Amino acid sequence: AQKITQTQPGMFVQEKEAVTLDCTYDTSDPSYGLFWYKQPSSGEMIFLIYQGSYDQQNATEGRYSLNFQKARKSANLVISASQLGDSAMYFCAMSPDHNTDKLIFGTGTRLQVFP
Amino acid sequence: DTEVTQTPKHLVMGMTNKKSLKCEQHMGHRAMYWYKQKAKKPPELMFVYSYEKLSINESVPSRFSPECPNSSLLNLHLHALQPEDSALYLCASSQSLVGRGTGGTQYFGPGTRLTVL
Repeated sequence: AQKITQTQPGMFVQEKEAVTLDCTYDTSDPSYGLFWYKQPSSGEMIFLIYQGSYDQQNATEGRYSLNFQKARKSANLVISASQLGDSAMYFCAMSPDHNTDKLIFGTGTRLQVFP
Repeated sequence: DTEVTQTPKHLVMGMTNKKSLKCEQHMGHRAMYWYKQKAKKPPELMFVYSYEKLSINESVPSRFSPECPNSSLLNLHLHALQPEDSALYLCASSQSLVGRGTGGTQYFGPGTRLTVL
């Protein structure tokens, strides 16, 4: 069965520091996609970054990078130089290739950035 | 431009009311989705439309009725809801269902916060 696990219900980080949000996944599909979304208190789910299972390099988007370790089935999100506006809920999600219309979400990690 | 719009932002309705939630995207995406999200939980998929046809109904009660009038619009008609239906309703769209890469990335709207009294 496909599953996403986020073991950190909450994380704190000081402004300008880097933070890593953990995500592990379980799938028997050889081909899949991994996503991270940010959800501020306003409610909108904001797409941050995508990693394909066959991508050779870790994905990066500005201050966001995805530390993809396929053998360990982990897809951790690294946020560099944290900003106060990064305070939000972060969801890791997976889309198995055989069922591309479904996103399987983790339970989320609430990140709080303090001055 | 990755904008998905939803109206209204907030909705309060009684259990006997009929209301509709609206979602619009102008990105040329051919797949659209409705999700329900309870507080402190991840979104739960309700419906998927692909090329204006309903492709997935996640065993959603019939008091929720989706409609896709065209490729840019998605509605969710609500009737005889229960208080436990109170939640954030999110609409999303993606370029397509098929294929890998970022084409399958779902882009979400701001959501409608629904309260059923």
